[in-house]
Amino acid sequence: KQEVTQIPAALSVPEGENLVLNCSFTDSAIYNLQWFRQDPGKGLTSLLLIQSSQREQTSGRLNASLDKSSGRSTLYIAASQPGDSATYLCAVNKVRDEKLTFGTGTRLTIIP
Amino acid sequence: ETGVTQTPRHLVMGMTNKKSLKCEQHLGHNAMYWYKQSAKKPLELMFVYSLEERVENNSVPSRFSPECPNSSHLFLHLHTLQPEDSALYLCASSRTRNYEQYFGPGTRLTVT
Repeated sequence: KQEVTQIPAALSVPEGENLVLNCSFTDSAIYNLQWFRQDPGKGLTSLLLIQSSQREQTSGRLNASLDKSSGRSTLYIAASQPGDSATYLCAVNKVRDEKLTFGTGTRLTIIP
Repeated sequence: ETGVTQTPRHLVMGMTNKKSLKCEQHLGHNAMYWYKQSAKKPLELMFVYSLEERVENNSVPSRFSPECPNSSHLFLHLHTLQPEDSALYLCASSRTRNYEQYFGPGTRLTVT
């Protein structure tokens, strides 16, 4: 059974700093991995999707990397801003399973 | 604002009530999903519909009954719920299964 872990559960950093969020998964037979952002009481916003054949994806200040063999992904946020404060979730889509398995998320707070 | 809308946004119901949650996607997608998000637990997939056919039922109690009348609309009919069913219910859609999923804002359900 696929398990997805995100550590730490919460992170606070001063505005302007670069930061890395971590995601690990137990079964490396994945089809893709997706990073989401969730604001309190709201739905999920898709940030980046990495196919299993890719190593990284970039969108603006965000860069997501994937190391499938070691079961790890990172989300790098450059020059953090208070508006980046949210919970960040990663989810993996397993080959032939076609279900997203989510981690419990990292709650990020950017301190002005 | 996403291309996936959900109504109502908040719902309080007694254990003997019957209510329905509605999801609509304006993205031309062919797959739709219901997820449950409880406090401090990962998102749990409940149901998947692909081309209006249910393809996944993730061991969900029968007091939750999905309906997909067409590829743009998805309902979740609720009856005789339990207090532990209180959660944020999220709808998502994707072009087909295994593609990037787009989420609605969710319905916050409280069962009293």
